[in-house]
Amino acid sequence: DTEVTQTPKHLVMGMTNKKSLKCEQHMGHRAMYWYKQKAKKPPELMFVYSYEKLSINESVPSRFSPECPNSSLLNLHLHALQPEDSALYLCASSQRVRAQETQYFGPGTRLLVL
Amino acid sequence: GDSVTQMEGPVTLSEEACLTINCTYTATGYPSLFWYVQYPGEGLQLLLKATKADDKGSNKGFEATYRKETTSFHLEKGSVQVSDSAVYFCALKSELIQGAQKLVFGQGTRLTINP
Repeated sequence: DTEVTQTPKHLVMGMTNKKSLKCEQHMGHRAMYWYKQKAKKPPELMFVYSYEKLSINESVPSRFSPECPNSSLLNLHLHALQPEDSALYLCASSQRVRAQETQYFGPGTRLLVL
Repeated sequence: GDSVTQMEGPVTLSEEACLTINCTYTATGYPSLFWYVQYPGEGLQLLLKATKADDKGSNKGFEATYRKETTSFHLEKGSVQVSDSAVYFCALKSELIQGAQKLVFGQGTRLTINP
């Protein structure tokens, strides 16, 4: 089973709202990732967690706040977003962060900021 | 830095036609290479991968061979189906950054198969 689940599937929020995206995997993977994908573009890496510790932050604005409460869960807390943050947010996981490891993606959360 | 270049899309073919989507890369060393597919409204699915030179990845009738001499990883299929319509991304694993590696994607190639 190589399933990564994400909730919600769709989210509409105003610029003053606070919301969270959730990602879950039960494959025993110890590396988890958040990507942002704009329409007709490839995914862009936002954050990497390795063994529940933040390993990479690709200069993402502080209005995006990741959290990894345990090895199966990854959250992305959203606050004071801008309309240009509207995108598909993808979660991925891999066994480790090493070169040979394959990343498995979830179906994504489609976010619209009004 | 590391980069991936894919052929420009969109690509439109008739059912049962042969498919080739070109992918070339620039990287330090010998990164693992991947093809991901994204169906409309969905996330990315791993289609196939290769981890060293001359490896051939294959899945669902698709194939790609890791060519070190031409730094290429072209995706091929002998007979496409309407259900193959999707966006295809070529990607590589980039070098270690703060103890981790990351995927570098090409721009994606939109494929449409007409019945």
